[in-house]
Amino acid sequence: KNQVEQSPQSLIILEGKNCTLQCNYTVSPFSNLRWYKQDTGRGPVSLTIMTFSENTKSNGRYTATLDADTKQSSLHITASQLSDSASYICVVSESGYSTLTFGKGTMLLVSP
Amino acid sequence: EAGVVQSPRYKIIEKKQPVAFWCNPISGHNTLYWYLQNLGQGPELLIRYENEEAVDDSQLPKDRFSAERLKGVDSTLKIQPAELGDSAVYLCASSPGQSPVYEQYFGPGTRLTVT
Repeated sequence: KNQVEQSPQSLIILEGKNCTLQCNYTVSPFSNLRWYKQDTGRGPVSLTIMTFSENTKSNGRYTATLDADTKQSSLHITASQLSDSASYICVVSESGYSTLTFGKGTMLLVSP
Repeated sequence: EAGVVQSPRYKIIEKKQPVAFWCNPISGHNTLYWYLQNLGQGPELLIRYENEEAVDDSQLPKDRFSAERLKGVDSTLKIQPAELGDSAVYLCASSPGQSPVYEQYFGPGTRLTVT
C-alpha cells in the first residue's frame, strides 16, 4: 500500500529561524512529489513539485529536496515568518495515475 | 481568474439530516475531485470526475454519499443521512486533466459539523 510519512508531527520555532520538515514515501512507481501549504481554514496550495530527475526546487524561502533512491524528501524554510504558520503536506503521485497519496502533514507554528 | 469555489463554507446539522455541498471548479478544468479531511490528517479522495463521468468512486461510501457533476462543470456532494462521524472538512479540487503532472487546485472547503 502506498504511504507517505511525515515528521515531525508538529513544530514550534521562533520567527526568523530556519526549519526542515521530512517526508518518506513508499509510492511506486513514482511520478512526482509536491509540498503543499495549508493555512487554517483554507485549502492546500502547492509550493513545489519535483519529478524523478530533480533533486532540489526552490520557491522563495522554501527549498524542497528529493532523494528518489531513498524515497525521502525535505522542505527547508529559511528565515521563517509568522505567516509561515500552517500545515505542510507532502503529496506523492504514482506514475500513470492521477490519484495522490497525501501525508498527514506537519503543523508548523512560528512564534514571535 | 477565480479559483475553485465551494459553498457553503460552514454547515451545522443534526445527525440523520441530509446535507449537500457545491463546488465550481476553475474554468476549463475537466477533472474534479472531492476529498474528505479530518482534523490533523491529509485529504482522502472520495470521488474523481473526468468531465461528467465518475472515473474513481471506490472510496465513496455509497450507502449514504452521492455525487453528481451534471454538464461536466460544477458538482454537488450529498450525504443522506448524516452521521456524527461525517464531521470533517470537505474539499473540492480541480485540474486541467487526469495526468499526475497536472497540479490540483483546491477550494477553501466546507466544514461540516454533525451534532
